[in-house]
Amino acid sequence: GNSVTQMEGPVTLSEEAFLTINCTYTATGYPSLFWYVQYPGEGLQLLLKATKADDKGSNKGFEATYRKETTSFHLEKGSVQVSDSAVYFCALRSAGTAGNKLTFGGGTRVLVKP
Amino acid sequence: DAGVIQSPRHEVTEMGQEVTLRCKPISGHDYLFWYRQTMMRGLELLIYFNNNVPIDDSGMPEDRFSAKMPNASFSTLKIQPSEPRDSAVYFCASSFAVGTYGYTFGSGTRLTVV
Repeated sequence: GNSVTQMEGPVTLSEEAFLTINCTYTATGYPSLFWYVQYPGEGLQLLLKATKADDKGSNKGFEATYRKETTSFHLEKGSVQVSDSAVYFCALRSAGTAGNKLTFGGGTRVLVKP
Repeated sequence: DAGVIQSPRHEVTEMGQEVTLRCKPISGHDYLFWYRQTMMRGLELLIYFNNNVPIDDSGMPEDRFSAKMPNASFSTLKIQPSEPRDSAVYFCASSFAVGTYGYTFGSGTRLTVV
């Protein structure tokens, strides 16, 4: 079945540091890959996505590249801000399998200190 | 579009009482999902609907939980009777059927059972 593994947190960084959150997946077929962000007290928001191999998703300074050869979708940001403190979830969705459900990783909490 | 709308945002109830959570999905979305989030168990999928029909309710923890979707614009999650261990944030999400789309989440209902 489908599964997503992401690094456990919390990840604590100083402002302007480089952030990487690793995400690897197991899936049948050709899934679409997603990163969601959850700010304190809020719901999950779609941060970026990639729908085929070698695609790069980007938004708000975050980037992730769909690497089929390594089954990975690592999230990166070059210079984090305090406002990036949140929980980040990697997820995949395989069309036509498992009822079109999103499979989530366990989430990685990121804390950015001034 | 106003997004996925959940009500109430906060609910405090006494053990044994009935609780009803409500969700209005985004118009045109084919799928609706109910999730529960706690610190201990993370994000759990409870049940999901496709075109108003329940597809998989294997995540519903007990018979005390029930969900309905009487039409394309409304769904409810009911807990009867409620227990303190049901305290959590409950999210509703909706999506198109196509696998390249992610979910849109509501802001959640924070349920506290005392």
